[in-house]
Amino acid sequence: ETGVTQTPRHLVMGMTNKKSLKCEQHLGHNAMYWYKQSAKKPLELMFVYSLEERVENNSVPSRFSPECPNSSHLFLHLHTLQPEDSALYLCASSQALGTALSNQPQHFGDGTRLSIL
Amino acid sequence: AQSVAQPEDQVNVAEGNPLTVKCTYSVSGNPYLFWYVQYPNRGLQFLLKYITGDNLVKGSYGFEAEFNKSQTSFHLKKPSALVSDSALYFCAVMRGGGFKTIFGAGTRLFVKA
Repeated sequence: ETGVTQTPRHLVMGMTNKKSLKCEQHLGHNAMYWYKQSAKKPLELMFVYSLEERVENNSVPSRFSPECPNSSHLFLHLHTLQPEDSALYLCASSQALGTALSNQPQHFGDGTRLSIL
Repeated sequence: AQSVAQPEDQVNVAEGNPLTVKCTYSVSGNPYLFWYVQYPNRGLQFLLKYITGDNLVKGSYGFEAEFNKSQTSFHLKKPSALVSDSALYFCAVMRGGGFKTIFGAGTRLFVKA
């Protein structure tokens, strides 16, 4: 148990569907992240939130829309996705950013395996 | 700009033999360096980190890593490999005081019985 829970674990959707990925952390962390993991590629950082404010948006297409309603929850809203968006989406959290605690490791959920038909 | 290189896609080692998984990095300023491991159908798990101090850091499951500033390397090592060590290993770097962690492409470790 990593303290970071992602749902659903698997998601199959058509290109015209709208769905959301959910992440919840029970670690009292203040920073949360979305990553995309594709086969044989480096982990791609998509979004970073610190104290519920977005601090990084890595040129991600607008068909991905993050939401961080509080420091424990992070969502990734999906719409009109493309086949190349099929991947494992990982959520992570860490204690703090831009402080003396920013050297703490990230804690990852087990991911959502997304398949676009 | 920060970058991490893991030059080997795959490392094969026999059980009981020592293992090394290589990592080199590029970052301005002082680096924070991390190793993570990923087992099938799981997220990444933290193994160890270097922030400052002793160049040899010890982590979970008997792993250790050596920070070499002149060679900008942070290789992961274990004296005696186990079959259960077979997994995907990621090196990562963060610039000290920054907020963005850059991950390498990963190295798959196979330990044969």
